[in-house]
Amino acid sequence: GQQLNQSPQSMFIQEGEDVSMNCTSSSIFNTWLWYKQDPGEGPVLLIALYKAGELTSNGRLTAQFGITRKDSFLNISASIPSDVGIYFCAGRSGSARQLTFGSGTQLTVLP
Amino acid sequence: DAGVTQSPTHLIKTRGQQVTLRCSPKSGHDTVSWYQQALGQGPQFIFQYYEEEERQRGNFPDRFSGHQFPNYSSELNVNALLLGDSALYLCASSFQGQGNTIYFGEGSWLTVV
Repeated sequence: GQQLNQSPQSMFIQEGEDVSMNCTSSSIFNTWLWYKQDPGEGPVLLIALYKAGELTSNGRLTAQFGITRKDSFLNISASIPSDVGIYFCAGRSGSARQLTFGSGTQLTVLP
Repeated sequence: DAGVTQSPTHLIKTRGQQVTLRCSPKSGHDTVSWYQQALGQGPQFIFQYYEEEERQRGNFPDRFSGHQFPNYSSELNVNALLLGDSALYLCASSFQGQGNTIYFGEGSWLTVV
């Protein structure tokens, strides 16, 4: 089946620093989504990408759909304490109905 | 505009029992998917419902079943519960015409003892 490799698994950064995380796939996706999940809650959609090469921003967040359609990255600029949480990438390919999720990146922001 | 709502938020069941979880999709959405998220892992797709029919199923046994009602709400049923079924069960909704944008509910925490 499809697999998504998400890295890094965890990050500890100082408040104000920029963050970058990425996902790679063994197969082509036609949609990439990035979610943030806080403890005990459901994933919240941050950014949706629909086209290879697409670069989309949402406030301090920027994500790109890789040109090969097998990867995506998420950048967070000037991190703040409320950025703490687990970030998941998710992809959808072809006629598939389901999302395939990465294993998550646990982000900790130190004051 | 109501988002995706799920109930109950938490429940505890005994091994061998049956459980029913409920989901109301986001207003304007007609497609409901269910995911299972074990602790420390990403969500895993169980199945998707559209027009009251199961359209696609992930790698889950037939102890997991579902239903979609005419108002687009959905239920997830799990029979003969195992300890390994303990997880966060997430409902996700989307609109068929814009199926790429998928929103999740807060989830139902199921503990099997």
